[in-house]
Amino acid sequence: DAMVIQNPRYQVTQFGKPVTLSCSQTLNHNVMYWYQQKSSQAPKLLFHYYDKDFNNEADTPDNFQSRRPNTSFCFLDIRSPGLGDAAMYLCATSRDYAATYEQYFGPGTRLTVT
Amino acid sequence: AQTVTQSQPEMSVQEAETVTLSCTYDTSESNYYLFWYKQPPSRQMILVIRQEAYKQQNATENRFSVNFQKAAKSFSLKISDSQLGDTAMYFCAFMKFSTGANSKLTFGKGITLSVRP
Repeated sequence: DAMVIQNPRYQVTQFGKPVTLSCSQTLNHNVMYWYQQKSSQAPKLLFHYYDKDFNNEADTPDNFQSRRPNTSFCFLDIRSPGLGDAAMYLCATSRDYAATYEQYFGPGTRLTVT
Repeated sequence: AQTVTQSQPEMSVQEAETVTLSCTYDTSESNYYLFWYKQPPSRQMILVIRQEAYKQQNATENRFSVNFQKAAKSFSLKISDSQLGDTAMYFCAFMKFSTGANSKLTFGKGITLSVRP
């Protein structure tokens, strides 16, 4: 009964080779988030969707893009990964934006760039 | 902008003992929410406890309770009767009161808690 699923759990890519991380949810939540979590640092919000409405954080690099083809799935595309993009990428969902609605996190995808 | 500070990178506690994790924050908002999230090794982050700033009563969830000091902008988590399963990274987080797309979690850097048998 997994609720937020991320695939793959571990991803190795080469410097400059595009990579896509995926997230799916069984909660039918409106909001989906992508966070980047580097070692010993706080999770950093990259972007979020309310349904199909996309919101990009101001400091998210242009190298990062996202797609949400339907309610259940959301993808994170890194067009040209650099060594500095190695991190854990967390997907989360919530019913709505307000703080009264809990965010449910997936287990994360650990990205290694060689 | 909001900031959340967790100054202790690591703590260790003996099983069955009590431990307190510290968190301070800075904001100009008057209404907001504070959270503690738990991230066990190789598992997903889960919400431990939530506090609404306008509520004076400290939140409690079973063995977990908070000490919320609004004036001091302090929000500590107390874990009573520590269990081995409490071993995890704990994140303090802030969200301002909003219903729109600018409702976002601001996380601290986290603290690694180890419970010793």
